Amino acid sequence: EDQVTQSPEALRLQEGESSSLNCSYTVSGLRGLFWYRQDPGKGPEFLFTLYSAGEEKEKERLKATLTKKESFLHITAPKPEDSATYLCAVRDFFSGNTPLVFGKGTRLSVIA
Amino acid sequence: EPEVTQTPSHQVTQMGQEVILRCVPISNHLYFYWYRQILGQKVEFLVSFYNNEISEKSEIFDDQFSVERPDGSNFTLKIRSTKLEDSAMYFCASNRDRQETQYFGPGTRLLVL
Repeated sequence: EDQVTQSPEALRLQEGESSSLNCSYTVSGLRGLFWYRQDPGKGPEFLFTLYSAGEEKEKERLKATLTKKESFLHITAPKPEDSATYLCAVRDFFSGNTPLVFGKGTRLSVIA
Repeated sequence: EPEVTQTPSHQVTQMGQEVILRCVPISNHLYFYWYRQILGQKVEFLVSFYNNEISEKSEIFDDQFSVERPDGSNFTLKIRSTKLEDSAMYFCASNRDRQETQYFGPGTRLLVL
């Protein structure tokens, strides 16, 4: 059973059309939830870290929120340069103290 | 802004050959990691390294794999006898403290023929 599930798998938006990406997790000892952006053929680029339910972080057009079971990445008025795959990862106390467990990602396309 | 760097960016090798992938973590970081991503699949943890020894490893990290910090800046992943299924992007990551965010390098694309 996957510990981290991201939805939708792919999302196509018009420029300026706001939306949200979902990351649900089943780990019981959350030690951090991480959002990364990945461009094709590149490494994951850090966006946000969230540690506790109710926490929110913002950066430009992106806002990440965390509940006890899921996280949302809200994209407000996206631009074509926001097109990328967005990865969610968790660190779980019971999986060891260091490994990140990744979801499959949401592939976002923003059309001008 | 400090970055994790990796070399080479691409490596093509024949099955059964040894490869060494190199990484230079961010300079004040103490924890180092290798992950891999097979094309179209999730990023998967391989190994973590601290204080010159492996601290955690996954089931993927079998006897064919080894890691080393040969000097004060480099961190390497060696695959002794490559298999077709080792073809993937390999990412190095680092952080100052194991509880903090891991910062990833650009990756090495390994193709085993």
